[in-house]
Amino acid sequence: GQQVMQIPQYQHVQEGEDFTTYCNSSTTLSNIQWYKQRPGGHPVFLIQLVKSGEVKKQKRLTFQFGEAKKNSSLHITATQTTDVGTYFCAGRRHGGATNKLIFGTGTLLAVQP
Amino acid sequence: GAVVSQHPSWVICKSGTSVKIECRSLDFQATTMFWYRQFPKQSLMLMATSNEGSKATYEQGVEKDKFLINHASLTLSTLTVTSAHPEDSSFYICSAPRTSGNNEQFFGPGTRLTVL
Repeated sequence: GQQVMQIPQYQHVQEGEDFTTYCNSSTTLSNIQWYKQRPGGHPVFLIQLVKSGEVKKQKRLTFQFGEAKKNSSLHITATQTTDVGTYFCAGRRHGGATNKLIFGTGTLLAVQP
Repeated sequence: GAVVSQHPSWVICKSGTSVKIECRSLDFQATTMFWYRQFPKQSLMLMATSNEGSKATYEQGVEKDKFLINHASLTLSTLTVTSAHPEDSSFYICSAPRTSGNNEQFFGPGTRLTVL
């Protein structure tokens, strides 16, 4: 079946350092979404990317969708303690059921003040 | 933004009992809702797609007779874990997608089930 892997599984950074998580799908995706889950909380939508090669920015966060629409990345510049949490990518398989998302394995970010 | 609620937020039950979890979309209608299970420090695993007015669609490996799903209205889906066992202990989260805009999914706060 479709698999969506993320690396790294865990990253510990000092506040102010940058952070990147990479998302790779075994199949082509129609679009990809990113979610953040704080410890003990539920996933919260961050952004959706649809076009091949698309890049979107939200303040310190930069999201990219690969040219082949099989991978994506999330980069955080100058991390803050509020960035702590698990970041999940979630993709819809190209030609798959509308709205059905397959979640990546997630990357847990720890930020030391 | 849209809000999805879940009830209860946590439940502890004895092995062999059944537990019902409710998922409600509070300010929008959801013809489709999704049920996920999340074990500690793991990702969300899609269990099933709940369809209003029709049968749920289960993912491979998920027993439909054990995890009963009912989507009786456009704002309510229920998941019943029947004859629960300790291995069913997990965090169960529902989500409902907005059909307009980004198609983002709004997640409920989750239900933590502990089976003794």
